[in-house]
Amino acid sequence: QQQVKQSPQSLIVQKGGISIINCAYENTAFDYFPWYQQFPGKGPALLIAIRPDVSEKKEGRFTISFNKSAKQFSLHIMDSQPGDSATYFCAASIRWDSNYQLIWGAGTKLIIKP
Amino acid sequence: DVKVTQSSRYLVKRTGEKVFLECVQDMDHENMFWYRQDPGLGLRLIYFSYDVKMKEKGDIPEGYSVSREKKERFSLILESASTNQTSMYLCASSLNGLAGADTQYFGPGTRLTVL
Repeated sequence: QQQVKQSPQSLIVQKGGISIINCAYENTAFDYFPWYQQFPGKGPALLIAIRPDVSEKKEGRFTISFNKSAKQFSLHIMDSQPGDSATYFCAASIRWDSNYQLIWGAGTKLIIKP
Repeated sequence: DVKVTQSSRYLVKRTGEKVFLECVQDMDHENMFWYRQDPGLGLRLIYFSYDVKMKEKGDIPEGYSVSREKKERFSLILESASTNQTSMYLCASSLNGLAGADTQYFGPGTRLTVL
């Protein structure tokens, strides 16, 4: 119940195409869903996040779509660029005592072909 | 800008050695975390700390211990390194979870190889 399942494990997209990464969860106590982006040799960094009271959040070319009834959320990267090549992690936040913990997906390695 | 620094980018140790990984954050964050990252397994939480001298086990604490003597510093200790602890180790910090989930800021990671 604490898991976040992420797919696909790797993804190759042509430059200019749409990259889509999916995540699914079971625990309805999760209340915050961030996506992190990690470039080689760097730690992950927050890219975009959504709360379950909205169905979509857009920031530039990056959009999170959230389906509460299906317990799924996805990251869409429009007009994908070679600079978007990175590993992407979805996560879900759950309250632990007086703090919050992030439960992480396994990651998706995205390669944008020029 | 939040900065999280880790003492080493690359480390090579021998089986049975005691290994110290240091992490320092400069933004007065309450919470600090240690993860290990392995291909296909994502980020797995080893230990976290929400206050000085406080520590909580994460999902995979076996073989590890931690120390937080000062707010800005969180150390991960491998008491007797084993080959299955070869991994990328990431430290993160966050401000304070009391008001809701907040952003975790990561260091660049330490790639540890145990021979």
